[in-house]
Amino acid sequence: DTGVSQDPRHKITKRGQNVTFRCDPISEHNRLYWYRQTLGQGPEFLTYFQNEAQLEKSRLLSDRFSAERPKGSFSTLEIQRTEQGDSAMYLCASSLAFLPYEQYFGPGTRLTVT
Amino acid sequence: AQKVTQAQTEISVVEKEDVTLDCVYETRDTTYYLFWYKQPPSGELVFLIRRNSFDEQNEISGRYSWNFQKSTSSFNFTITASQVVDSAVYFCALQSDDKIIFGKGTRLHILP
Repeated sequence: DTGVSQDPRHKITKRGQNVTFRCDPISEHNRLYWYRQTLGQGPEFLTYFQNEAQLEKSRLLSDRFSAERPKGSFSTLEIQRTEQGDSAMYLCASSLAFLPYEQYFGPGTRLTVT
Repeated sequence: AQKVTQAQTEISVVEKEDVTLDCVYETRDTTYYLFWYKQPPSGELVFLIRRNSFDEQNEISGRYSWNFQKSTSSFNFTITASQVVDSAVYFCALQSDDKIIFGKGTRLHILP
């Protein structure tokens, strides 16, 4: 399968714990995006990378959130000291670095904070 | 500011009826892209269509059709002869530059 993959698909954690998600983009894609989707809402942009550089971060990305793409391939999204409000689907997408920046989405990681 | 509005939060129709999902967008950009995605209960986003701002030609793909009107900033989606498998949440989205702005979605129930 050469699509975008995300791991884990589901994560249940207790409030206050740290969690880390991984995204593997389509191999030739330079850009990688993270979105968050809460219940009843559309996905909302969090951040994106071009190669290993993080080019934009949404104000939704609080200090407890950090994303990395150390070698310009896979990316990790870490949430520290999770809160119940962090419960959501975290979606990753990747694209080439030229117009129309067509984004291909992964299956998402569903996080539940108890 | 860029915004996508899907005024219909939930729609129910009986199988085989036609249904239109509305989408209105706001952007100051002259070059942009519009999308429709389907999200079935499994949660994955399924890409349906992309249109660029210079192409107002309507498109038909099987039972699906899309009506793009720049004059009213609308990009509506019609399902003809709906089927139970069409039940899902449908998102309209706008992209200019790097990120995609999604609407809040319309939950479509097709009743047998």
